[in-house]
Amino acid sequence: GENVEQHPSTLSVQEGDSAVIKCTYSDSASNYFPWYKQELGKRPQLIIDIRSNVGEKKDQRIAVTLNKTAKHFSLHITETQPEDSAVYFCAAIIQGAQKLVFGQGTRLTINP
Amino acid sequence: GAGVSQTPSNKVTEKGKYVELRCDPISGHTALYWYRQSLGQGPEFLIYFQGTGAADDSGLPNDRFFAVRPEGSVSTLKIQRTERGDSAVYLCASSLQAATDTQYFGPGTRLTVL
Repeated sequence: GENVEQHPSTLSVQEGDSAVIKCTYSDSASNYFPWYKQELGKRPQLIIDIRSNVGEKKDQRIAVTLNKTAKHFSLHITETQPEDSAVYFCAAIIQGAQKLVFGQGTRLTINP
Repeated sequence: GAGVSQTPSNKVTEKGKYVELRCDPISGHTALYWYRQSLGQGPEFLIYFQGTGAADDSGLPNDRFFAVRPEGSVSTLKIQRTERGDSAVYLCASSLQAATDTQYFGPGTRLTVL
């Protein structure tokens, strides 16, 4: 089955700097890669996703890149703000399957 | 419109008891998912419903866990003979049709087994 590894587990950056979180997946048949943000005690919320026919997607300060050959994808947050502090989860789904497999999460802290 | 809702928000029970957790998906969403999230971990898939049928229950840990969705809307996750290791946050999500449609999560039910 699919396995998703996420790094780093914790990340601390200065406000205004960029943050990058990386994930690798094991199954080359995976074709959908969402990223979720989860604040303490709250539900996971989708912030951006990418499909296997696209190499990069951007939404304001957030971007995701996908390298299918290397089987890894990354979340990039620019001009970080204190409200970006949260746990971020990557996930992947195998084509034809119906279940998301999540990474272990990255706790991002933005220091003022 | 209303998002995914779950009840109760918290459930404390004793080892060996039976519990039911409820999920109300977004209206019109045919796909419904249950996940379990332990402290410091990502959500772990349990079961997926398409309409009334459980299309994939491969994530259920053992036969003490069961879920239903009799009318294709509300779903109930049932846990028999609870064990301390069942303690976790149980998350429900729904999507329009497929898992590759945006999955919207509920707030979760925090289950504590004493």
